[in-house]
Amino acid sequence: AQTVTQSQPEMSVQEAETVTLSCTYDTSESDYYLFWYKQPPSRQMILVIRQEAYKQQNATENRFSVNFQKAAKSFSLKISDSQLGDAAMYFCAYRSAISGGSNYKLTFGKGTLLTVNP
Amino acid sequence: GAGVSQSPSNKVTEKGKDVELRCDPISGHTALYWYRQRLGQGLEFLIYFQGNSAPDKSGLPSDRFSAERTGESVSTLTIQRTQQEDSAVYLCASSPTPRKETQYFGPGTRLLVL
Repeated sequence: AQTVTQSQPEMSVQEAETVTLSCTYDTSESDYYLFWYKQPPSRQMILVIRQEAYKQQNATENRFSVNFQKAAKSFSLKISDSQLGDAAMYFCAYRSAISGGSNYKLTFGKGTLLTVNP
Repeated sequence: GAGVSQSPSNKVTEKGKDVELRCDPISGHTALYWYRQRLGQGLEFLIYFQGNSAPDKSGLPSDRFSAERTGESVSTLTIQRTQQEDSAVYLCASSPTPRKETQYFGPGTRLLVL
C-alpha cells in the first residue's frame, strides 16, 4: 500500500517571502500522479498543482512550483511571493496510474498548516 | 458551471441514530468518491462509484456504512447506528472519468455524534 508523509505539521512565512512544504511517499509503482491540495477554513479542497511521475520536468502554476525527486520519492511544494490568501492546510496526495477500482483513490498525507504573517 | 455540492453542511446527531449525507457531483462526471477526514488527519478513502458499475467499497470501515448512487447523479452515504468515532468531515469528489486523475471536491459535511 502507498503511504504519504508530511513531516511538518505547521509552517509559517512572512508575506511576500518564499516557503517550501515537504512531502515524501512510498510506493512500488513506477507510474503515478502526485498532487498538492489546499484546504482553507471553508473545508473546500482546492487543487494547487499536479505532477505526473513519468514527466521529469517539475510542474509550475504561477507562484506555485514543485521539486519532484522520483528516486528519493520526494515531492515538495514551493510557494513564492506568499500572500495572506495562501494561508490554509496543505495536503500532499498520491494516485496510482494503474486502472481499476480503488486504484483511482487519492492517498493523502496528514497535512501542513501554513500561516502567512503580514 | 456548478461545482460539487454536499448537504447538509453540518449535522449533529445522537449516538445510535442513522444519518444520511448527500453529494451532487459536477454534471457529466461519471466517477464519484467519498472520503472521511477525522480531526487533524488527512482524507481516508471510503467508496468509489463509476457509472452503473458495482461500486468499490474497499474503504468502508464497517458494515454500518453504506452508499448508493443513482446512475451518474446524486449519491448518498448512510451511517447506521452512529458512534462517536464516526465524528468527522465527510467529503465527496467527482471526476469526468476515473482515468482523469484530478478530483474536484465538495465542501464536505461535518458530522458530530454526541
